[in-house]
Amino acid sequence: HLQLQESGPGLVKPSETLSLTCTVSGDSLSTRSYYWGWIRQPPGKGLEWIGTVYYNGDTYYNPSLGSRVTMSLDTSKNQFFLKLTSVTAADTSAYYCVRHAAMISGGFDCWGQGTLVTVSP
Amino acid sequence: QSALTQPASVSGSPGQSITISCTGTSSDVGYFNLVSWYQQHPGKAPKVIIYEGTKRPSGVSSRFSGSKSGITASLTISGLQVDDEADYYCCSYAGSTTHVAFGGGTKVTVL
Repeated sequence: HLQLQESGPGLVKPSETLSLTCTVSGDSLSTRSYYWGWIRQPPGKGLEWIGTVYYNGDTYYNPSLGSRVTMSLDTSKNQFFLKLTSVTAADTSAYYCVRHAAMISGGFDCWGQGTLVTVSP
Repeated sequence: QSALTQPASVSGSPGQSITISCTGTSSDVGYFNLVSWYQQHPGKAPKVIIYEGTKRPSGVSSRFSGSKSGITASLTISGLQVDDEADYYCCSYAGSTTHVAFGGGTKVTVL
Protein backbone atom coordinates (compact mmCIF):
# COMPACT_ATOMS: atom_id res chain seq x y z
CA HIS A 1 0.00 0.00 0.00
CA LEU A 2 1.65 3.18 -1.21
CA GLN A 3 1.96 6.02 1.29
CA LEU A 4 3.65 9.40 1.10
CA GLN A 5 4.39 11.47 4.19
CA GLU A 6 5.63 15.05 4.27
CA SER A 7 7.79 16.36 7.08
CA GLY A 8 9.57 19.59 7.90
CA PRO A 9 9.28 22.87 9.82
CA GLY A 10 5.81 24.38 10.01
CA LEU A 11 7.17 27.90 10.39
CA VAL A 12 9.82 29.58 8.26
CA LYS A 13 11.02 33.18 8.49
CA PRO A 14 10.86 35.49 5.46
CA SER A 15 13.96 35.40 3.23
CA GLU A 16 14.96 31.99 4.62
CA THR A 17 14.82 28.56 2.95
CA LEU A 18 11.86 26.22 3.20
CA SER A 19 12.97 22.57 3.36
CA LEU A 20 10.60 19.61 3.22
CA THR A 21 11.06 15.84 3.04
CA CYS A 22 8.68 13.28 1.58
CA THR A 23 9.11 9.71 2.84
CA VAL A 24 7.70 7.02 0.56
CA SER A 25 6.56 3.59 1.70
CA GLY A 26 5.06 0.84 -0.43
CA ASP A 27 7.00 1.74 -3.57
CA SER A 28 10.60 2.42 -4.51
CA LEU A 29 11.95 5.76 -5.66
CA SER A 30 14.28 3.74 -7.88
CA THR A 31 11.39 2.69 -10.13
CA ARG A 32 11.48 4.01 -13.69
CA SER A 33 7.69 3.87 -13.85
CA TYR A 34 6.95 6.93 -11.77
CA TYR A 35 7.96 10.48 -11.02
CA TRP A 36 7.79 12.22 -7.65
CA GLY A 37 6.57 15.77 -7.20
CA TRP A 38 5.44 18.61 -4.98
CA ILE A 39 2.21 20.57 -5.20
CA ARG A 40 1.19 23.43 -2.93
CA GLN A 41 -2.06 25.13 -2.00
CA PRO A 42 -2.26 28.53 -0.26
CA PRO A 43 -5.01 28.68 2.37
CA GLY A 44 -8.38 28.98 0.66
CA LYS A 45 -6.85 28.94 -2.83
CA GLY A 46 -6.10 26.55 -5.67
CA LEU A 47 -3.40 24.02 -6.47
CA GLU A 48 0.01 24.90 -7.89
CA TRP A 49 2.50 22.38 -9.21
CA ILE A 50 5.99 23.14 -7.89
CA GLY A 51 8.16 20.51 -9.54
CA THR A 52 9.03 16.88 -10.12
CA VAL A 53 12.08 14.64 -9.69
CA TYR A 54 12.79 11.35 -11.45
CA TYR A 55 14.68 8.33 -10.10
CA ASN A 56 17.88 9.38 -11.92
CA GLY A 57 17.83 12.88 -10.45
CA ASP A 58 16.33 14.65 -13.46
CA THR A 59 14.20 17.57 -12.32
CA TYR A 60 11.39 19.62 -13.83
CA TYR A 61 10.25 22.87 -12.22
CA ASN A 62 7.40 25.33 -12.52
CA PRO A 63 8.88 28.20 -14.55
CA SER A 64 7.01 30.72 -12.36
CA LEU A 65 9.15 29.77 -9.36
CA GLY A 66 12.37 30.40 -11.27
CA SER A 67 15.61 29.42 -9.61
CA ARG A 68 14.17 29.39 -6.08
CA VAL A 69 13.26 25.69 -6.29
CA THR A 70 15.55 22.70 -5.92
CA MET A 71 14.41 19.10 -5.68
CA SER A 72 16.47 15.98 -5.03
CA LEU A 73 16.07 12.41 -3.84
CA ASP A 74 17.81 9.78 -1.73
CA THR A 75 16.85 6.36 -3.05
CA SER A 76 18.62 4.59 -0.18
CA LYS A 77 16.24 6.23 2.29
CA ASN A 78 13.29 6.30 -0.14
CA GLN A 79 12.94 10.02 0.42
CA PHE A 80 12.75 13.05 -1.84
CA PHE A 81 13.20 16.66 -0.94
CA LEU A 82 12.08 20.20 -1.68
CA LYS A 83 14.02 23.38 -1.06
CA LEU A 84 12.50 26.78 -1.74
CA THR A 85 14.75 29.77 -1.14
CA SER A 86 14.02 33.41 -0.30
CA VAL A 87 10.51 32.69 0.93
CA THR A 88 7.88 35.36 1.46
CA ALA A 89 4.38 35.35 2.92
CA ALA A 90 3.13 34.34 -0.52
CA ASP A 91 4.80 30.95 -0.03
CA THR A 92 2.55 30.15 2.93
CA SER A 93 0.75 27.01 1.79
CA ALA A 94 -0.11 23.42 2.43
CA TYR A 95 2.59 21.44 0.66
CA TYR A 96 1.76 18.00 -0.77
CA CYS A 97 4.12 15.38 -2.12
CA VAL A 98 2.73 13.31 -4.97
CA ARG A 99 3.45 10.49 -7.39
CA HIS A 100 2.74 10.49 -11.10
CA ALA A 101 3.61 8.73 -14.32
CA ALA A 102 5.21 10.31 -17.35
CA MET A 103 3.32 13.32 -18.70
CA ILE A 104 0.94 13.01 -15.74
CA SER A 105 -0.75 10.30 -17.78
CA GLY A 106 -2.42 8.65 -14.81
CA GLY A 107 -2.91 11.89 -12.97
CA PHE A 108 -1.31 12.59 -9.63
CA ASP A 109 -2.40 9.21 -8.34
CA CYS A 110 -1.11 9.31 -4.79
CA TRP A 111 -0.87 12.26 -2.40
CA GLY A 112 0.60 12.78 1.03
CA GLN A 113 -1.69 14.23 3.67
CA GLY A 114 -0.06 17.62 3.25
CA THR A 115 1.89 19.83 5.63
CA LEU A 116 1.14 23.47 6.31
CA VAL A 117 4.11 25.80 6.11
CA THR A 118 3.66 29.35 7.34
CA VAL A 119 6.11 32.10 6.43
CA SER A 120 6.18 34.63 9.22
CA PRO A 121 8.78 36.60 11.23
CA GLN B 1 -4.17 33.63 -12.23
CA SER B 2 -4.58 29.98 -13.13
CA ALA B 3 -3.55 28.62 -16.51
CA LEU B 4 -6.83 26.74 -16.99
CA THR B 5 -10.20 28.43 -16.49
CA GLN B 6 -12.95 26.88 -14.40
CA PRO B 7 -16.18 28.39 -13.08
CA ALA B 8 -15.82 29.40 -9.44
CA SER B 9 -18.94 27.55 -8.38
CA VAL B 10 -21.59 25.14 -9.64
CA SER B 11 -24.62 23.91 -7.73
CA GLY B 12 -27.31 21.32 -8.15
CA SER B 13 -29.96 19.36 -6.29
CA PRO B 14 -29.55 15.73 -5.24
CA GLY B 15 -30.11 13.42 -8.19
CA GLN B 16 -29.38 16.06 -10.79
CA SER B 17 -26.41 16.19 -13.15
CA ILE B 18 -23.92 19.02 -13.25
CA THR B 19 -21.02 19.79 -15.57
CA ILE B 20 -17.83 21.66 -14.77
CA SER B 21 -15.85 23.14 -17.65
CA CYS B 22 -12.11 23.58 -17.87
CA THR B 23 -10.82 25.81 -20.67
CA GLY B 24 -7.19 25.83 -21.67
CA THR B 25 -5.30 26.49 -24.88
CA SER B 26 -4.08 24.66 -27.95
CA SER B 27 -0.82 24.04 -26.05
CA ASP B 28 -2.31 22.08 -23.19
CA VAL B 29 -5.93 20.85 -23.09
CA GLY B 30 -6.32 21.15 -26.85
CA TYR B 31 -3.09 19.37 -27.71
CA PHE B 32 -2.80 16.54 -25.20
CA ASN B 33 -5.42 14.00 -24.11
CA LEU B 34 -3.96 14.26 -20.62
CA VAL B 35 -6.51 16.10 -18.53
CA SER B 36 -7.08 14.88 -15.00
CA TRP B 37 -9.69 15.90 -12.47
CA TYR B 38 -9.39 16.00 -8.68
CA GLN B 39 -11.94 16.07 -5.89
CA GLN B 40 -10.97 17.77 -2.63
CA HIS B 41 -13.05 17.73 0.51
CA PRO B 42 -12.30 20.36 3.19
CA GLY B 43 -9.12 19.64 5.10
CA LYS B 44 -8.24 16.67 2.91
CA ALA B 45 -5.73 16.02 0.16
CA PRO B 46 -7.07 16.00 -3.41
CA LYS B 47 -8.00 12.67 -5.00
CA VAL B 48 -7.84 11.87 -8.70
CA ILE B 49 -11.24 10.96 -10.13
CA ILE B 50 -10.57 11.20 -13.88
CA TYR B 51 -7.31 10.82 -15.81
CA GLU B 52 -6.40 10.93 -19.50
CA GLY B 53 -9.58 12.91 -20.05
CA THR B 54 -12.10 10.10 -19.70
CA LYS B 55 -10.69 7.28 -17.57
CA ARG B 56 -11.74 6.53 -14.00
CA PRO B 57 -9.35 5.03 -11.43
CA SER B 58 -10.44 1.85 -9.75
CA GLY B 59 -12.94 2.58 -7.00
CA VAL B 60 -14.20 5.89 -8.41
CA SER B 61 -17.95 6.00 -8.99
CA SER B 62 -19.22 5.75 -12.57
CA ARG B 63 -21.29 8.85 -11.79
CA PHE B 64 -18.13 10.82 -12.62
CA SER B 65 -17.31 11.14 -16.31
CA GLY B 66 -14.95 13.25 -18.37
CA SER B 67 -14.95 14.56 -21.90
CA LYS B 68 -13.18 17.05 -24.12
CA SER B 69 -14.02 19.25 -27.07
CA GLY B 70 -11.30 21.40 -28.55
CA ILE B 71 -9.60 23.37 -25.80
CA THR B 72 -12.30 22.68 -23.21
CA ALA B 73 -12.47 19.64 -20.97
CA SER B 74 -15.51 18.85 -18.89
CA LEU B 75 -16.36 16.85 -15.79
CA THR B 76 -19.93 15.64 -15.39
CA ILE B 77 -21.31 14.40 -12.11
CA SER B 78 -24.58 12.53 -12.55
CA GLY B 79 -27.00 11.53 -9.80
CA LEU B 80 -25.58 14.27 -7.56
CA GLN B 81 -25.13 13.20 -3.94
CA VAL B 82 -24.52 15.16 -0.75
CA ASP B 83 -21.01 13.72 -0.49
CA ASP B 84 -20.15 15.21 -3.90
CA GLU B 85 -20.06 18.63 -2.26
CA ALA B 86 -16.36 19.50 -2.59
CA ASP B 87 -13.85 21.49 -4.62
CA TYR B 88 -12.93 20.13 -8.05
CA TYR B 89 -9.74 20.91 -9.97
CA CYS B 90 -8.74 20.16 -13.52
CA CYS B 91 -5.16 19.67 -14.58
CA SER B 92 -3.45 19.20 -17.93
CA TYR B 93 -0.02 18.20 -19.08
CA ALA B 94 1.31 21.28 -20.85
CA GLY B 95 4.45 20.21 -22.68
CA SER B 96 8.15 20.21 -21.96
CA THR B 97 8.44 23.87 -20.86
CA THR B 98 5.39 24.60 -18.74
CA HIS B 99 4.85 20.94 -17.84
CA VAL B 100 1.68 21.20 -15.72
CA ALA B 101 -1.33 23.51 -15.71
CA PHE B 102 -4.04 23.57 -13.07
CA GLY B 103 -7.46 25.18 -13.09
CA GLY B 104 -8.44 27.55 -10.32
CA GLY B 105 -10.98 25.12 -8.89
CA THR B 106 -14.77 24.87 -8.79
CA LYS B 107 -16.79 24.65 -5.59
CA VAL B 108 -19.71 22.26 -6.02
CA THR B 109 -22.67 22.84 -3.74
CA VAL B 110 -25.46 20.31 -3.34
CA LEU B 111 -28.62 22.27 -2.61
